[in-house]
Amino acid sequence: DGGITQSPKYLFRKEGQNVTLSCEQNLNHDAMYWYRQDPGQGLRLIYYSQIVNDFQKGDIAEGYSVSREKKESFPLTVTSAQKNPTAFYLCASNDGTGRIGSGANVLTFGAGSRLTVL
Amino acid sequence: DAKTTQPPSMDCAEGRAANLPCNHSTISGNEYVYWYRQIHSQGPQYIIHGLKNNETNEMASLIITEDRKSSTLILPHATLRDTAVYYCIVSRSGNTGKLIFGQGTTLQVKP
Repeated sequence: DGGITQSPKYLFRKEGQNVTLSCEQNLNHDAMYWYRQDPGQGLRLIYYSQIVNDFQKGDIAEGYSVSREKKESFPLTVTSAQKNPTAFYLCASNDGTGRIGSGANVLTFGAGSRLTVL
Repeated sequence: DAKTTQPPSMDCAEGRAANLPCNHSTISGNEYVYWYRQIHSQGPQYIIHGLKNNETNEMASLIITEDRKSSTLILPHATLRDTAVYYCIVSRSGNTGKLIFGQGTTLQVKP
C-alpha cells in the first residue's frame, strides 16, 4: 500500500544534541512537507519541498534543517539551535501540481514522530 | 488564505448525524474549503473538499452556502471511531500545501 512512513515514532534527546527524523513516501508525490504540532494546538509549517534538490522555509524554520536528495525522502534535522524542540512532528506529501481544481492541497500525512528533550 | 472559525468542541450521539459548522466570511472566489480530521496522536486525514457545489464521498458530505461564507461537514451516522479533532481550512489550490491548521473542533461521539 502507498503511504508515508515516519521514524522513529518516539525519540528522546538530550539538550544540545541534533536529531534527525526520517520521512519516506512511496506515493510518487513531488511535494513534501514538515509540520510541528504542540499540545492542544494546530499544525505549523517548518519546511517544504516541491521538487528534488529544492526546498523552502515555512513559518517556523529556525533551528531546523532539511534535505531532498531523493524524491522519496525528506529528512528533518532538529538542531541544538531549536529552543523548544519537544513536539509532535508530522510529515506530509502531495502531488504538488498546483493546477486549479487538481486538489493539490490534498495532503497525505504520516503517523508522526514524537520528540522529547530531556 | 482566508481565516476560518470553528466551535472548539461538540458532542454527538452514536448513530446520529454530526454537523460541524465552519465560518469563512473572507473567502475568495478561487479558494477551496478543505476538511481534515486528526484522531488523537495520529497524523491528520483528508476528508473532503469543495469550491461552490455540495460534495459527498464515502466519508462525509460538505454543504457550502450559496455566498460561500460558511460550510458544514456532515458525518451521516457518527460512530465512536469518528471522535477526533476536525479542521476546516480554506486555501487556494496549488498553494504549495501551506494549509493553516487552526485548533479545529473536537468532536466527541458518545454511546
